[in-house]
Amino acid sequence: RKEVEQDPGPFNVPEGATVAFNCTYSNSASQSFFWYRQDCRKEPKLLMSVYSSGNEDGRFTAQLNRASQYISLLIRDSKLSDSATYLCVVNQNTGTASKLTFGTGTRLQVTL
Amino acid sequence: GAVVSQHPSRVICKSGTSVKIECRSLDFQATTMFWYRQFPKKSLMLMATSNEGSKATYEQGVEKDKFLINHASLTLSTLTVTSAHPEDSSFYICSARAPVGRVPGGSGNTIYFGEGSWLTVV
Repeated sequence: RKEVEQDPGPFNVPEGATVAFNCTYSNSASQSFFWYRQDCRKEPKLLMSVYSSGNEDGRFTAQLNRASQYISLLIRDSKLSDSATYLCVVNQNTGTASKLTFGTGTRLQVTL
Repeated sequence: GAVVSQHPSRVICKSGTSVKIECRSLDFQATTMFWYRQFPKKSLMLMATSNEGSKATYEQGVEKDKFLINHASLTLSTLTVTSAHPEDSSFYICSARAPVGRVPGGSGNTIYFGEGSWLTVV
């Protein structure tokens, strides 16, 4: 089983649609969680951190369920500019080390 | 603005030659930087953790003699791909953890990436 699993998509949605991405992680010792956005042939950029209480940033809402080891990202009123690959990222602190593990990403294509 | 800078953004080299990629933290000191590789349509794979003043920690399966990492200062880590082969062609990207306050709204746990380097070995 992969450490971080995501549906690779692609998700093709019309402008204005609501789309949800899911992610599961296998290591229960994981301590922090993030969603990154990666545009084609570019570096990943932090979209938002994910907290157990859930957090919202404009049209984006992230949720974490530690019991189920499940992370989600909801995008409302999607825009053409939201087209990108969304990476679920899990961080584990192991003593003095800290390791980020990336999912393969879910590709989103927003169309007119 | 950029938090981590990487250079060059694109490089083409001949098989058998070596290529050096630089990663710099901007306006902060990074005792640890991370090097990743990403093949097309694949996830980022951690290659190694670069530690300032000491040896890098390599992930399983990554050849330390082929991918030389030097972290000689608190703001610069370099990755040298030695004796490059066409199968080394990939997107190489570095990252560092920025301290609290370096980026508005960021926590001390947030990783920022360089712009990445596209390596093509011909």
